[in-house]
Amino acid sequence: EDQVTQSPEALRLQEGESSSLNCSYTVSGLRGLFWYRQDPGKGPEFLFTLYSAGEEKEKERLKATLTKKESFLHITAPKPEDSATYLCAVQTSGTYKYIFGTGTRLKVLA
Amino acid sequence: DSGVTQTPKHLITATGQRVTLRCSPRSGDLSVYWYQQSLDQGLQFLIQYYNGEERAKGNILERFSAQQFPDLHSELNLSSLELGDSALYFCASSVAPGNEQFFGPGTRLTVL
Repeated sequence: EDQVTQSPEALRLQEGESSSLNCSYTVSGLRGLFWYRQDPGKGPEFLFTLYSAGEEKEKERLKATLTKKESFLHITAPKPEDSATYLCAVQTSGTYKYIFGTGTRLKVLA
Repeated sequence: DSGVTQTPKHLITATGQRVTLRCSPRSGDLSVYWYQQSLDQGLQFLIQYYNGEERAKGNILERFSAQQFPDLHSELNLSSLELGDSALYFCASSVAPGNEQFFGPGTRLTVL
């Protein structure tokens, strides 16, 4: 069964304390892996798309990487405004379905 | 603002009723997606349309149906509502299937 698992469920960091969020997936075929940021009560906001193992994307303090089994979202020197839930999703090849993980709730303390 | 609009913002109804949620995609986007988000199940993919045609189907119940019209707006119809259908319903759009999705603000449905 296609599955996406994110860890940890919740993470508290001090401002400036770098860390990584994990997204592991088991799917029959991967068409693409997506990272989104979601603030409470709002729709998810697109961050990155990764298509093949070894690919990396960067945006400000965020960097996403992809292997054949998992993706990492690295947060360097986070600020309080980075506090949000980070969602990982995969699109499966063949059926084109999207499967979202349950997210990592990140809290960055000043 | 993502450019995706959803109406209504809030909807309160009773069990057994039927409701329609509406979504207008970003200008130029041909693909529309519907998701359900509840506290215990996270974001669940329901269905995707591309240029008026159904493209992919997720965990959409038989009581739910959707369509995309020639002007590319989409509607999600929920019938025989149950308490468990209470959730946030998001619409998203993209230029084409597989591209990054832009989400609307959501419709919060409460079934009493």
